[in-house]
Amino acid sequence: DVKVTQSSRYLVKRTGEKVFLECVQDMDHENMFWYRQDPGLGLRLIYFSYDVKMKEKGDIPEGYSVSREKKERFSLILESASTNQTSMYLCASSSGDRYIQYFGAGTRLSVL
Amino acid sequence: DQQVKQNSPSLSVQEGRISILNCDYTNSMFDYFLWYKKYPAEGPTFLISISSIKDKNEDGRFTVFLNKSAKHLSLHIVPSQPGDSAVYLCAASTQGGSEKLVFGKGTKLTVNP
Repeated sequence: DVKVTQSSRYLVKRTGEKVFLECVQDMDHENMFWYRQDPGLGLRLIYFSYDVKMKEKGDIPEGYSVSREKKERFSLILESASTNQTSMYLCASSSGDRYIQYFGAGTRLSVL
Repeated sequence: DQQVKQNSPSLSVQEGRISILNCDYTNSMFDYFLWYKKYPAEGPTFLISISSIKDKNEDGRFTVFLNKSAKHLSLHIVPSQPGDSAVYLCAASTQGGSEKLVFGKGTKLTVNP
């Protein structure tokens, strides 16, 4: 079974803090994705990566950056957290030749 | 502009009956479609998919139908079970891109015992 592990299920941070959300997959997948899910807005793509050190902006990249130094790990960085970044963050991965994305359990981030 | 639309936010059915979840799309370049199931406070789980070269794909109690001319797909669950109660997400992708998925906002299915 594919396993996508997000480092924290729940996180509470203060406005202005730098926040790291970590995601690790164990299936040697080329592609990794970060989404946020908000009520009434569905899943929105923040960033994705199709190879180590490669990244592309998704639909809502503002206020976020990412890092992929190793194939299995994809990090989402909030440089200076703001209250409007309070959300559920979901990481996913997929094989390079397949459309099916496998998701982690999610991180519920609250920025106070 | 929403490219994948799930116009029914919620659906309630009786256990044992058929559940039909609908999804419409606007981008004619979409050629692969997926359904995910999502429980509260968990990540989405892949359920079933269909390529645009087919009009039906079946997996156990779940069947997805694709009508390309209408740009419409539907997920049928027969028979529905209380454990099927979840949010169902429709997603679409285009070939030759970066395997990005475009998601609908979801339909919350409640199956009543």
